[in-house]
Amino acid sequence: GEDVEQSLFLSVREGDSSVINCTYTDSSSTYLYWYKQEPGAGLQLLTYIFSNMDMKQDQRLTVLLNKKDKHLSLRIADTQTGDSAIYFCAESGDYKLSFGAGTTVTVRA
Amino acid sequence: DAGVTQSPTHLIKTRGQQVTLRCSPKSGHDTVSWYQQALGQGPQFIFQYYEEEERQRGNFPDRFSGHQFPNYSSELNVNALLLGDSALYLCASSLAGKGSNTEAFFGQGTRLTVV
Repeated sequence: GEDVEQSLFLSVREGDSSVINCTYTDSSSTYLYWYKQEPGAGLQLLTYIFSNMDMKQDQRLTVLLNKKDKHLSLRIADTQTGDSAIYFCAESGDYKLSFGAGTTVTVRA
Repeated sequence: DAGVTQSPTHLIKTRGQQVTLRCSPKSGHDTVSWYQQALGQGPQFIFQYYEEEERQRGNFPDRFSGHQFPNYSSELNVNALLLGDSALYLCASSLAGKGSNTEAFFGQGTRLTVV
């Protein structure tokens, strides 16, 4: 079965880096994803990483994958107020995505 | 290029009623998945439609049913609504054949309130 876990809250100062952590259980997952959800909105795909990769960088976003420990992290460099949102980690099954409960990131001035 | 569009955006229904939610996938996508997101939780997979058939189903009762049309758009129907069905219903579209939902794009969701 699938079980994705994330810490629920993160507070970060504007300009600092944010690191959001996630653990998953399905070792057969091919892809792992990070989605962003702003209040009242749907999910925005931020980035994803293939399971045979260790790291993926995309502008301010860096994804690290430790497949042995089933640990995924998202680092946001130079965090801005517009980064305040809920961030979801998700693992892929055959046809579905299994999501964590989300990490609420609050950026303070 | 229109992304995933869902209608309506908000809906209020009474317990016991039936509801139909609609989704048009992103251009070029042929697979539609539906998710339920209760307040404060992550989305939960309801089912996926491909080639007008339900391809996989999550742990939801038979009151939840769906349909996919030849133009790939989809409907989610919920019968005999319960208070606990109040949630944000999200539609996601993707391209078939990849199985792993690479680059699944989500719509803005339909907020259903059951009173």
